[in-house]
Amino acid sequence: EDQVTQSPEALRLQEGESSSLNCSYTVSGLRGLFWYRQDPGKGPEFLFTLYSAGEEKEKERLKATLTKKESFLHITAPKPEDSATYLCAVQKRGKLIFGQGTELSVKP
Amino acid sequence: DTEVTQTPKHLVMGMTNKKSLKCEQHMGHRAMYWYKQKAKKPPELMFVYSYEKLSINESVPSRFSPECPNSSLLNLHLHALQPEDSALYLCASSQDSGTQNQPQHFGDGTRLSIL
Repeated sequence: EDQVTQSPEALRLQEGESSSLNCSYTVSGLRGLFWYRQDPGKGPEFLFTLYSAGEEKEKERLKATLTKKESFLHITAPKPEDSATYLCAVQKRGKLIFGQGTELSVKP
Repeated sequence: DTEVTQTPKHLVMGMTNKKSLKCEQHMGHRAMYWYKQKAKKPPELMFVYSYEKLSINESVPSRFSPECPNSSLLNLHLHALQPEDSALYLCASSQDSGTQNQPQHFGDGTRLSIL
């Protein structure tokens, strides 16, 4: 069965404390892995697409990496404005299969 | 600001009302989607339109009726909803529903409350 699992469910960091979010997947015929950020009351905001194992993408303090079974979202020296829910999703036959998300809180 | 615009932002309706949610995108995308999202949960796919034709219906109850008048517009008609239908309804679009590596871009949703 196609499945996407994110960990941890929630993560609390101090400002400047780097960490990583994990997204593991069991999907046959992967057509792309996506990371989104969602703020309360807003729609998911697209961050990255990854397709090939070994691929890396960066944007400001965020870096996403992909292996054959999982993806990591590394957050370097986070700031309070990085607080949000981060969603991972894989694409298969035109559908996005989402993980449950990681709720990140960064305290000053 | 997102490039996918949804109206209204908030909607309160009774169980006997009929209302519609609207979504518009001007990115030239040919695939559009409706999702339902409950609190603390990820979005759940409801419908997919590809080139203005309904391509996926995720066994959604008939009280939800989608419509795609043209390639830029997507509507969701609501009738006789239940309290459990209260949720954030998200619209998304992508270049093509079958093309790999093409992300879906989401609007900010309509917060729907059923009394």
